[in-house]
Amino acid sequence: LAKTTQPISMDSYEGQEVNITCSHNNIATNDYITWYQQFPSQGPRFIIQGYKTKVTNEVASLFIPADRKSSTLSLPRVSLSDTAVYYCLVGPSGGYNKLIFGAGTRLAVHP
Amino acid sequence: KAGVTQTPRYLIKTRGQQVTLSCSPISGHRSVSWYQQTPGQGLQFLFEYFSETQRNKGNFPGRFSGRQFSNSRSEMNVSTLELGDSALYLCASSPSRTSGGARQETQYFGPGTRLLVL
Repeated sequence: LAKTTQPISMDSYEGQEVNITCSHNNIATNDYITWYQQFPSQGPRFIIQGYKTKVTNEVASLFIPADRKSSTLSLPRVSLSDTAVYYCLVGPSGGYNKLIFGAGTRLAVHP
Repeated sequence: KAGVTQTPRYLIKTRGQQVTLSCSPISGHRSVSWYQQTPGQGLQFLFEYFSETQRNKGNFPGRFSGRQFSNSRSEMNVSTLELGDSALYLCASSPSRTSGGARQETQYFGPGTRLLVL
């Protein structure tokens, strides 16, 4: 199974762009990279998914270099409500609906 | 569409008892997965059901079991509860229109059931 490594925590301020990088050196050919967000005492929420290059949706962008050994989640102009834990997942090498969560990155956005 | 619902939201049990948690997936979703979240171990996959069959299983003891009904609703059961079973139990559903897929499907999580074992 592809293991992911992310920073344990990050701090930012309202209005700034936040980039969270995830390392996944042994990603498999058929693996996708998916990011989830979790607020305290809630279930994780899907943010974005990609395979290569760049993916953008209404909340975030995902940058994946050609070797796919890392990825960067970019959150533009964060607000206090973006304070959460962000998980980077790689799969479906563990099974199509078997999500393997790491420790995640705890993002704190300050006023 | 209504989201994933889980009942009960909170539960207190004592060691040795058993507990059953319920999950109703998003309408039309055929796959239901269960996860356990604790401060020490984080989010861990328990099992996944698709069309009433267990399709994937995590590394949990046999005290943890589940089932899925024909309407895709799912239940998980924990027997002989231990203090370490205190956790937030999360259910997630996904469409899974076929038995397999080309990518990891988006999972839609419910609010969870917080279980406290005394």
